[in-house]
Amino acid sequence: GAVVSQHPSWVICKSGTSVKIECRSLDFQATTMFWYRQFPKQSLMLMATSNEGSKATYEQGVEKDKFLINHASLTLSTLTVTSAHPEDSSFYICSASRTSGSDEQYFGPGTRLTVT
Amino acid sequence: EDKVVQSPLSLVVHEGDTVTLNCSYEVTNFRSLLWYKQEKKAPTFLFMLTSSGIEKKSGRLSSILDKKELFSILNITATQTGDSAVYLCAVVLNTNAGKSTFGDGTTLTVKP
Repeated sequence: GAVVSQHPSWVICKSGTSVKIECRSLDFQATTMFWYRQFPKQSLMLMATSNEGSKATYEQGVEKDKFLINHASLTLSTLTVTSAHPEDSSFYICSASRTSGSDEQYFGPGTRLTVT
Repeated sequence: EDKVVQSPLSLVVHEGDTVTLNCSYEVTNFRSLLWYKQEKKAPTFLFMLTSSGIEKKSGRLSSILDKKELFSILNITATQTGDSAVYLCAVVLNTNAGKSTFGDGTTLTVKP
């Protein structure tokens, strides 16, 4: 159990367009989901914490109007990169924690975003 | 500012060697420390540590936490090429959301 999926796994878009990335917990309920960004050969940088039914909490330096997060249900959170620019190109990974309160996070396979 | 520091940043060993990876932390509100292994894509969970001095073991991997000195180590014995990966240490903060702060990772390469 504890599978997290992300869709799409890879997306190319043009500058100025918006891209939506979905994160789903397939076999458990996740009150909290986390969105990370990872640059090549670097660690995971937390962007925001997404709580079901409430507004996301963004980390310092992350523009909430640019990276829109919606956590509409206990199994789905979405990240929308609005008006994408080439510098937004990165690997975006989501993770989810079980509602039972374990600190272990289950990671999705990631989404590679390339903005041309 | 919460900080998690891993060392070494990279390590190259030969099959059969034993390696020790280090993770030190300075955080305001510690709850737990987790180790993950990241190969090509998403990290996979290895261990969660909450108490000092209690070793967690899984096969050739083991880990222990020292909450007084604020560090943890991950040991891998009899390394295999399949152990080649980035090993990430994350500290979970004692907040409602259980936010994690990750270290930069240790890239382990095991040569045949």
